[in-house]
Amino acid sequence: DTGVSQDPRHKITKRGQNVTFRCDPISEHNRLYWYRQTLGQGPEFLTYFQNEAQLEKSRLLSDRFSAERPKGSFSTLEIQRTEQGDSAMYLCASTIIKGDKINNEQFFGPGTRLTVL
Amino acid sequence: DQQVKQNSPSLSVQEGRISILNCDYTNSMFDYFLWYKKYPAEGPTFLISISSIKDKNEDGRFTVFLNKSAKHLSLHIVPSQPGDSAVYFCAAYSGGYQKVTFGTGTKLQVIP
Repeated sequence: DTGVSQDPRHKITKRGQNVTFRCDPISEHNRLYWYRQTLGQGPEFLTYFQNEAQLEKSRLLSDRFSAERPKGSFSTLEIQRTEQGDSAMYLCASTIIKGDKINNEQFFGPGTRLTVL
Repeated sequence: DQQVKQNSPSLSVQEGRISILNCDYTNSMFDYFLWYKKYPAEGPTFLISISSIKDKNEDGRFTVFLNKSAKHLSLHIVPSQPGDSAVYFCAAYSGGYQKVTFGTGTKLQVIP
């Protein structure tokens, strides 16, 4: 399977705990996005990477959130001191950017569903 | 500030008929529009897109229409099939902003 994969698929944690999610994009894709989706809403942009560089962060991404893409391949999203309001589906997507030509089609992973008790 | 709006949370259509899903946007800087389909327990999958310089794009049973003056786009599915039952997200992109903004989704049910 050469699609975008995310791990874990489900995570239940207690308030105040730290959690980390992993995303493996399609191998040749140099751009990686993180989104959050809550019930009844569309995916909301959190941050994106071009190779290993984090180029933009949404104001939704509080100081408790940090994302990395250390070698320009897989990415991790960490949430520290989780709150009940962090309960959501966290989606990762990847695409390829070549020069000025942008492929607007993003390929999404299945998501990680986080439940904070 | 919801820049991309899908005002119909759900839609039911008979198999074989046309499904029309609507989307409105407020940001005139958007220059690409996309439709994604999402099944339960899966991530969204890309369906079709349209550049702001066009007013129509067709791909098989799926056609997207863009009315820039009204800041409105629509997705037509004809004929509708039961396998089309899913949540459809309208999304918009601006090269200047480098990110995609999604609508809230419309749940389509195609009744056999």
